[in-house]
Amino acid sequence: SYELTQPPSVSVSPGQTASITCSGDKLGNRYACWYQQKPGQSPVLVIYQDTKRPSGIPERFSGSNSGNTATLTISGTQAMDEADYYCQAWDSSTAVFGGGTKLTVL
Amino acid sequence: EVQLVESGGGLVQPGRSLRLSCEASGFTFEDYAMHWVRQAPGKGLEWVSGISWNSGSIGYGDSVKGRFTISRDNAKNSLYLQMNSLRPEDTALYYCAKGNTGYSYANSPFDYWGQGTLVTVSS
Repeated sequence: SYELTQPPSVSVSPGQTASITCSGDKLGNRYACWYQQKPGQSPVLVIYQDTKRPSGIPERFSGSNSGNTATLTISGTQAMDEADYYCQAWDSSTAVFGGGTKLTVL
Repeated sequence: EVQLVESGGGLVQPGRSLRLSCEASGFTFEDYAMHWVRQAPGKGLEWVSGISWNSGSIGYGDSVKGRFTISRDNAKNSLYLQMNSLRPEDTALYYCAKGNTGYSYANSPFDYWGQGTLVTVSS
C-alpha cells in the first residue's frame, strides 16, 4: 500500500520560515493536500492541489510538490501556527495520510 | 456557513454494531462527495470511507472493508456509517468530511470537517 512519510516534529522561531516535508513514491505525479489540526480541534484544509489555498487561509501558507516530495512552507511563522500538520494524497481511489508533523513555534 | 454535525458514537462491546450519522447544512449536500475519517486517541488521521454525490461510487479503507458500510440520504442532507463486527482498534473519533467535488469520491480534498463523534470499542 502507498505510504506518505513526514518528520514527527519541526521547530521554528517566530517570524522565521517553517518547512514540513511529505515523502512518497512519485508523489509529484499526484495532488497533495495539507491539513492543520490544533489541539482539541478538527482538521482544517490549508493547501490543496499542491499549491492552492482555500479562502480564509493566510498567504503565509504555501505548498509545492515535485519528484517524491511535497512541502508545506509557512513564511513568517506565528505562534498561532503551532499545530499538527498532515499531508494527504490519493492512491487507487484510497485516501492516504502522512503520519503528521508537530510544528513547534519557540 | 457549512456545518457538519456527527452523532451516534458511544461505548460498544467488541463484535457489536453501531451506526453513525452526519447531518449537513450550509451547502447543497446532493452536489458533493462525502467521507468518514477517523483518528484514534493520540494518533494520526485515517480515511475510512467515501461516497459520491449519487452513491454510484463508494470506497473503503482496507482496515474496514467488509465490516463498514457508508450511505447517504440526499433528501435528508445526511451521511451514515454502519459499523459491524467492531474491534478495539476501531476506537477513534470519527469525523464527517465534505469533498470538494461530487461525481467521484476520490481525488478531492476534504474541505470541511465536523467536530467528530467518539466511538469506543471495549468490553
